[in-house]
Amino acid sequence: DAGVIQSPRHEVTEMGQEVTLRCKPISGHDYLFWYRQTMMRGLELLIYFNNNVPIDDSGMPEDRFSAKMPNASFSTLKIQPSEPRDSAVYFCASSLAGLAGASVEQYFGPGTRLTVT
Amino acid sequence: GDSVTQMEGPVTLSEEAFLTINCTYTATGYPSLFWYVQYPGEGLQLLLKATKADDKGSNKGFEATYRKETTSFHLEKGSVQVSDSAVYFCALFSGGYNKLIFGAGTRLAVHP
Repeated sequence: DAGVIQSPRHEVTEMGQEVTLRCKPISGHDYLFWYRQTMMRGLELLIYFNNNVPIDDSGMPEDRFSAKMPNASFSTLKIQPSEPRDSAVYFCASSLAGLAGASVEQYFGPGTRLTVT
Repeated sequence: GDSVTQMEGPVTLSEEAFLTINCTYTATGYPSLFWYVQYPGEGLQLLLKATKADDKGSNKGFEATYRKETTSFHLEKGSVQVSDSAVYFCALFSGGYNKLIFGAGTRLAVHP
């Protein structure tokens, strides 16, 4: 299996521009997670989906952030408009058991490094 | 709320040295505990896990024991290699919040 695929790997954009990050989970996995990693705040869960339905978006920082999962093999995280403080590495992860069981394992993608100037 | 506290890094060791990275947690109930590792330029990957008190998780020479009495899950390895250089994250599955909660991460640098 190819693992979780994210694109782009690096994104540099100017403040105010729209940014779209993409994720393809491992085939057959029914949970998908979006995380943000920064030096200041560490690793934060932004939102997660189960069977393409958003379950918990309490970690989404503000209305500028939105996430969709139109089908089982694709998800997007959009920031509009982007700001310099959004600069971070964004990870997508997927899992089979999700968050319901004790033996859960999440498989992470390589991340997208976003720089907003 | 539930939380994980790890020792601050970086931890710098010579090859073949003994490694300990401390991790303590605060949680209601009995969470499952995990160590994830992040190699440079990559995403996190599961290193080991323990699901109940006194369980020992192990993988690639690393070990950690779920200590309920001290609410700890310290990571150990008897002899580190240069290839172990990475960032290590302790995490717990919080039933109350229904999500994985990660510590801040500890960077390990191993020199030849």
